[in-house]
Amino acid sequence: EAQVTQNPRYLITVTGKKLTVTCSQNMNHEYMSWYRQDPGLGLRQIYYSMNVEVTDKGDVPEGYKVSRKEKRNFPLILESPSPNQTSLYFCASSSPGRRESQYFGPGTRLLVL
Amino acid sequence: GIQVEQSPPDLILQEGANSTLRCNFSDSVNNLQWFHQNPWGQLINLFYIPSGTKQNGRLSATTVATERYSLLYISSSQTTDSGVYFCAVGEKLVFGKGTKLTVNP
Repeated sequence: EAQVTQNPRYLITVTGKKLTVTCSQNMNHEYMSWYRQDPGLGLRQIYYSMNVEVTDKGDVPEGYKVSRKEKRNFPLILESPSPNQTSLYFCASSSPGRRESQYFGPGTRLLVL
Repeated sequence: GIQVEQSPPDLILQEGANSTLRCNFSDSVNNLQWFHQNPWGQLINLFYIPSGTKQNGRLSATTVATERYSLLYISSSQTTDSGVYFCAVGEKLVFGKGTKLTVNP
């Protein structure tokens, strides 16, 4: 089954404690991205990756890091989480020439105390 | 950057009613998609529609690229249509703030 998986699905943490949210896709997609969703603001792109070792900033990259060492994985790293990073996070993937096949992961709810 | 505005922000319907959701965007785009986020948070791709009209069952969408808007039509609405509908445009998928649809039985 074609899918994007994220882990963990729910996370409660404290300010300053480094965390990583994993994202993996099984469709051999080149393009992957991370979004955060906040009430009243829709989804905003954090980072995206066009392919292995190619990453770039989205609209709200501050406080986040990413890496793309393998095609299937695109982890999101919060080196020193703060309460304003409390949000719902989505990972997505697609093939560059087939935007209609955009797949989203199930989301990760993060609470930073 | 591209601005995306959706209207109305909230919509409440009785089951069986029809509705039209609108998406306006500020610049020419070659990518426009409609998504449905169900009450459990899952995002589902409904349409990829940079121009023209598409239909899928009770849902259809029309994009008039020259006038920079897109419409999503829902006919004979069902309670399972409830959720938030997002329009997203551009290569990096800039999302609007969504229309929250509630369909009552």
